[in-house]
Amino acid sequence: GQNIDQPTEMTATEGAIVQINCTYQTSGFNGLFWYQQHAGEAPTFLSYNVLDGLEEKGRFSSFLSRSKGYSYLLLKELQMKDSASYLCAVKDSNYQLIWGAGTKLIIKP
Amino acid sequence: DTEVTQTPKHLVMGMTNKKSLKCEQHMGHRAMYWYKQKAKKPPELMFVYSYEKLSINESVPSRFSPECPNSSLLNLHLHALQPEDSALYLCASSQDPPGGYNEQFFGPGTRLTVL
Repeated sequence: GQNIDQPTEMTATEGAIVQINCTYQTSGFNGLFWYQQHAGEAPTFLSYNVLDGLEEKGRFSSFLSRSKGYSYLLLKELQMKDSASYLCAVKDSNYQLIWGAGTKLIIKP
Repeated sequence: DTEVTQTPKHLVMGMTNKKSLKCEQHMGHRAMYWYKQKAKKPPELMFVYSYEKLSINESVPSRFSPECPNSSLLNLHLHALQPEDSALYLCASSQDPPGGYNEQFFGPGTRLTVL
């Protein structure tokens, strides 16, 4: 079967750095997406990785290792507004998005 | 215009009602999606339209009926729903059919409650 694993919940302090991990086992791989979702709102796109390595976009970076089936999202200089759920999603061999259950990130002052 | 709009934002309906959810995008995207999302769960894909044709139906019950009148509009017709169908219904679009890199842009969703 297809499976994407993320921690259910993480807590971090304002101004700090947090890394959210995602491991996947899918039938094929055509890219990995990270989305942010605030409670009751729609997911918004954060990043896309299809090749190994680090993609940096402002305070957010995303890393991919295809051989390990592993990605992480790194958030720096955390702000209170970063409190949200972070969803990892993988496109499989049929280009279908397989979603992880999401990681709820709680930021404390 | 870089957004996906959905109406209504909230909908409460009885099990015998017929209602429709509407989604619109003006980004020239050729793929549109309906997702269902329960609280604290990831989105579940329901339907995909590519170039105005239904390309994926994820074994969704017939009480949900999608329609794509044109390349900018996507409807979801609801009839004889059950209380367990209560959820956030998300519409999304992407530039091309789902191959390759195509980030999906999501609308704000319709919060549906079935009584």
